[in-house]
Amino acid sequence: DTAVSQTPKYLVTQMGNDKSIKCEQNLGHDTMYWYKQDSKKFLKIMFSYNNKELIINETVPNRFSPKSPDKAHLNLHINSLELGDSAVYFCASSRDGNEQFFGPGTRLTVL
Amino acid sequence: AQSVAQPEDQVNVAEGNPLTVKCTYSVSGNPYLFWYVQYPNRGLQFLLKYITGDNLVKGSYGFEAEFNKSQTSFHLKKPSALVSDSALYFCAVRDILYQLIWGAGTKLIIKP
Repeated sequence: DTAVSQTPKYLVTQMGNDKSIKCEQNLGHDTMYWYKQDSKKFLKIMFSYNNKELIINETVPNRFSPKSPDKAHLNLHINSLELGDSAVYFCASSRDGNEQFFGPGTRLTVL
Repeated sequence: AQSVAQPEDQVNVAEGNPLTVKCTYSVSGNPYLFWYVQYPNRGLQFLLKYITGDNLVKGSYGFEAEFNKSQTSFHLKKPSALVSDSALYFCAVRDILYQLIWGAGTKLIIKP
């Protein structure tokens, strides 16, 4: 039973395309997150979301948008993909601000 | 400003020796501190956390961390390193919005 799952695992696409990454957690957590990890392994929080509030990192371009159909899912939509969007994207979840549980990551390559 | 520093990009330790991965933090109020490990091509895994109480926190895989308020440090330790401990280790502190502020990561290499 995977606690936090992401699909797809790999995503290769052309510049200018629009793509989505899906995330699901079966832990009953109240908050979900999206992170970007670059080639130097730096982790950057992009969004955090619970059923009350969406917190957006101000440095994230508005081409990126999270969408949550329910408490167990937080999908990431990316419009007009750029070369610099190539990275590994991680979804995570937590309860009450405690430790976060991470998904396996989605490696996005923009050509 | 809140921040986390991991001063070493890489730590090399011989198998069987004790290991320490350093972390210092700057945060308003009482810190909530975490350590995570990332194996190659995997997501991050939670190791341990400090919220309150004993300054020595025990976690997964035999790791522990020592909270030192006066030195604003939260160093990760293990008495006897294994080759399988080789990985990337991240320290993090929780901010007032319940988001984590991450260190840059330390690559730990355990040599047989």
